[in-house]
Amino acid sequence: AQSVTQPDIHITVSEGASLELRCNYSYGATPYLFWYVQSPGQGLQLLLKYFSGDTLVQGIKGFEAEFKRSQSSFNLRKPSVHWSDAAEYFCAVGLMDSNYQLIWGAGTKLIIKP
Amino acid sequence: DGGITQSPKYLFRKEGQNVTLSCEQNLNHDAMYWYRQDPGQGLRLIYYSQIVNDFQKGDIAEGYSVSREKKESFPLTVTSAQKNPTAFYLCASSAGFRQPQHFGDGTRLSIL
Repeated sequence: AQSVTQPDIHITVSEGASLELRCNYSYGATPYLFWYVQSPGQGLQLLLKYFSGDTLVQGIKGFEAEFKRSQSSFNLRKPSVHWSDAAEYFCAVGLMDSNYQLIWGAGTKLIIKP
Repeated sequence: DGGITQSPKYLFRKEGQNVTLSCEQNLNHDAMYWYRQDPGQGLRLIYYSQIVNDFQKGDIAEGYSVSREKKESFPLTVTSAQKNPTAFYLCASSAGFRQPQHFGDGTRLSIL
């Protein structure tokens, strides 16, 4: 069965340091991929998406993600985090033969140290 | 501004009671979704609808019901058959296949 794994439940990063959040998927073909961010008690906001083409995609708030087909990964990165980046981050995968559904990772909570 | 409105923000249910969560969108999106979010479990799909007057069960539909009589509206009823309804409920919509989902701000349901 298809699945999405975010291996890190929590990550703590110092303000100004770089960030990488991991996302791996299990699917035979190339999926389409999303990263979302959720602040406490809020809905989810789309950070970026990958459908095809350039494997390095730029998103909002200074985030980027790289699709690596050989590793079935779509890791999210930011060169320098700000305290306002503290939130929960979700990776989601859409299947080319699906009927609009997405498969969601369990999320990674980002904690920023001052 | 276009978006998704969920109401109420907080809702309390008594034993044996059905409650309805509202979701309205003005994005002109065809597809709408309901998710349940529990701590540490990510999002689980309850129901989704690709078009008016049609909807499909998701992974955890038992104890829930929906309707899609208008393109803009996709209300979710949590019935008394749902024995553990305490959760954060999120409504989303998308323009179509392979399009991102846009989310409302959620409704937190608790049991009295």
